[in-house]
This record gives sequence, C-alpha cells and structure tokens, in this order.
Amino acid sequence: GENVEQHPSTLSVQEGDSAVIKCTYSDSASNYFPWYKQELGKRPQLIIDIRSNVGEKKDQRIAVTLNKTAKHFSLHITETQPEDSAVYFCAARPYGGSQGNLIFGKGTKLSVKP
Amino acid sequence: KAGVTQTPRYLIKTRGQQVTLSCSPISGHRSVSWYQQTPGQGLQFLFEYFSETQRNKGNFPGRFSGRQFSNSRSEMNVSTLELGDSALYLCASRVGLAGSSYNEQFFGPGTRLTVL
Repeated sequence: GENVEQHPSTLSVQEGDSAVIKCTYSDSASNYFPWYKQELGKRPQLIIDIRSNVGEKKDQRIAVTLNKTAKHFSLHITETQPEDSAVYFCAARPYGGSQGNLIFGKGTKLSVKP
Repeated sequence: KAGVTQTPRYLIKTRGQQVTLSCSPISGHRSVSWYQQTPGQGLQFLFEYFSETQRNKGNFPGRFSGRQFSNSRSEMNVSTLELGDSALYLCASRVGLAGSSYNEQFFGPGTRLTVL
C-alpha cells in the first residue's frame, strides 16, 4: 500500500525566512496530494492541495511542487510569520477504490521565531 | 455553511468498555471518513462511509466499526477498549464519490478519547 515519508520532523525558522517541508510517496498511482495545518488543540485545516497532472500550485505565501517521476512533493512557505507555527501534514490519496482515504506523513512541527 | 461537527468532544472510559462517537458532515457532503490520531502513529485512516455503506477500510481490528445514516451522519464504535485506543478520533467529510479523486476532505474538531 501507499506509504508517505515526511521531513523534517521539526523545523525552526526566523520570522520572514522561508520554510520547506518535503514528502515522498511510494505508490505511483496516487493522484492527489493535500497539505494540512494543525494548530495545537485544533482540527487539521486544508491549506493547499495539488493534483497529479499539475507540477506547481501557489496561493499567496504558500506553494506546493510535485515531481511525479521522483515521487516527491514539497510545501514552501515564504515570509513566514509567527502564526504559521503549527504542525503540517502532507498526504497522498491512493488511486482506486472509493478514494476516501488519505495516507498521511508523520507531520512537521514548524516554529517561527519573532 | 456549518463545518463538520463531532460529539462528544472529550470522553473518558475504562478498559473493556465500549464507546460510540458521532460525526455530522458538512451539509451536502455524503462521504464520511474516520481517522485516528496519536503522537506515535500520526493520522491513520480507519474507514469511509458513503450512502450508508462502508466503501474503504484501513488496517484496524474488528473492534473498530462504524455506520452511516440516511442523513449522512456517521457513528463509529470501539468495543472492548484497550489502553492503546486512547487517541484523538477525527472524522472528515467530502462531497462524495463522483469525481472523487480530487474531493477535498474537511475535518471535524475530533473526539479526545482517554482509556484508563
């Protein structure tokens, strides 16, 4: 089955710097890759997603890139702010079946220091 | 539009007991998936329901079960609770199976289950 690896597990940056989180997946048939942000004690919130037929997607300070050949995708946050501090999860949706399941990475705890 | 809601938000049980958790999806969403979140294992998929039928299942023992009602609300049940079942249980809803590859999933706030 699908397996998603996420790195790093913790990331500390200064306010204004960029942050990059990387994920790899094993199932080449996976076709949808969302990123979720989870603040302490809150629910995971979808922040951006990318489909397998797209190489890059941007939304203001957030961007995601996908390399299908290498089976990896990355989250890029520019001009980080203290409110970006949270745990970020990448996920992959395996193709087939009802496709209602997401396989998640273990998460990256991002700390943005003012 | 109201978001995904879950009840109860917190629950304390003892080993051997059973528990039922409830999830109400976003209006118009017909698919409900359940996930278990623990510090050690992260977010793990339990199962998905659509049109009152289980459509997909993760690698959890048969003690974990669920159902969905005609109004798309879903419940999950855990029988014979073990200490290791302590976790945050999250449900997520999406529109449905049609064009399902790209349906976003929206999470509820979760139910924090503690097993003593």
